[in-house]
Amino acid sequence: NAGVTQTPKFQVLKTGQSMTLQCAQDMNHNSMYWYRQDPGMGLRLIYYSASEGTTDKGEVPNGYNVSRLNKREFSLRLESAAPSQTSVYFCASSDIQGGFSQPQHFGDGTRLSIL
Amino acid sequence: GENVGLHLPTLSVQEGDNSIINCAYSNSASDYFIWYKQESGKGPQFIIDIRSNMDKRQGQRVTVLLNKTVKHLSLQIAATQPGDSAVYFCAEKVQGGKLIFGQGTELSVKP
Repeated sequence: NAGVTQTPKFQVLKTGQSMTLQCAQDMNHNSMYWYRQDPGMGLRLIYYSASEGTTDKGEVPNGYNVSRLNKREFSLRLESAAPSQTSVYFCASSDIQGGFSQPQHFGDGTRLSIL
Repeated sequence: GENVGLHLPTLSVQEGDNSIINCAYSNSASDYFIWYKQESGKGPQFIIDIRSNMDKRQGQRVTVLLNKTVKHLSLQIAATQPGDSAVYFCAEKVQGGKLIFGQGTELSVKP
């Protein structure tokens, strides 16, 4: 199993350009998440989708939009990129078993630089 | 509050020694906690988790301790190896199933 797959792995954008980061999971998880990680900091939640058809804002949603395309795929869009959005972006998925939360599984990230 | 520091706390240990990484969490209502390991250029990798009805859980070479009274979590790694060198994050589950991550601790293992 591939787990969580993110594309692209690297991207450089100019200020004002738009871009969509793709994420797919093959674990049949209901919940999916987008985080950003800045140097020396932990991960901060941008948006999440508790189940197919629902999305909610996380801690730092401004400047981003998301789409839960189907159960497998959850994309993150930057409509007008800004230098402050230079970061490493991680997608994760998780599920609930027997009423108990299970660990989130992460992809290897997209490294995004905005000039 | 939000961490703004650019330098992670670091822990340097000798190969073969035991390591203890500490974490303070913020929400007394959190009922699920996870430790992740992150190697350079990779995503966080699950190590071990613990629910709030427990105060200790053991895995292979790792033990997590939970002290709800002082909202403290620790990760103990036995017989630390060079391959354990990484950044370690604790995370707590808050309302809605979301995870709040700590800043992270960089573990460096000297051969």
